Amino acid sequence: GENVEQHPSTLSVQEGDSAVIKCTYSDSASNYFPWYKQELGKRPQLIIDIRSNVGEKKDQRIAVTLNKTAKHFSLHITETQPEDSAVYFCAASRGFQKLVFGTGTRLLVSP
Amino acid sequence: NAGVTQTPKFQVLKTGQSMTLQCAQDMNHNSMYWYRQDPGMGLRLIYYSASEGTTDKGEVPNGYNVSRLNKREFSLRLESAAPSQTSVYFCASMETSGADTQYFGPGTRLTVL
Repeated sequence: GENVEQHPSTLSVQEGDSAVIKCTYSDSASNYFPWYKQELGKRPQLIIDIRSNVGEKKDQRIAVTLNKTAKHFSLHITETQPEDSAVYFCAASRGFQKLVFGTGTRLLVSP
Repeated sequence: NAGVTQTPKFQVLKTGQSMTLQCAQDMNHNSMYWYRQDPGMGLRLIYYSASEGTTDKGEVPNGYNVSRLNKREFSLRLESAAPSQTSVYFCASMETSGADTQYFGPGTRLTVL
């Protein structure tokens, strides 16, 4: 089955810096790669996703890149703000089937 | 439009007790999921239901049962709770018409003593 690895487990940056979180997946048939943000005590919420037919997607300060050959994808957050502090999860799935999540990255943005 | 709702929000059980976690969604989604979240382990799928009337095991199904009562509701039952089932449980739903976005409920924090 699918296996998703996520790095780093914790990431500390200064406000205004960029942050990059990386994930690798094992199943070459996976074609959907979402990223979820989970604030302390809250539910995970989708922030951006990408499908296997595109290599990059942007939404304001966040972007996701996908390298199908290497089977890895990354989340990029530019101009980080304290409210970006949260746990971020990557996931992978084949179409409509079940998501397999990474173990999460705790991002801390210091003012 | 409440989205995905879960009850209860908190629960403390003694080892061997049983309980049912309830989940409902009002988005007319076909698929529903139960996850558990433990520190350092991300979200792990317990069971899912791709459509009304079907259920399938996920990554960690042992010790749990589920019921897809109707299109809206998907319950998770612990027949004989164990301390290893102490976790935060999230229910999620997804449309499966191509959107693939899973929407999560607020979670249930369960402690088994």
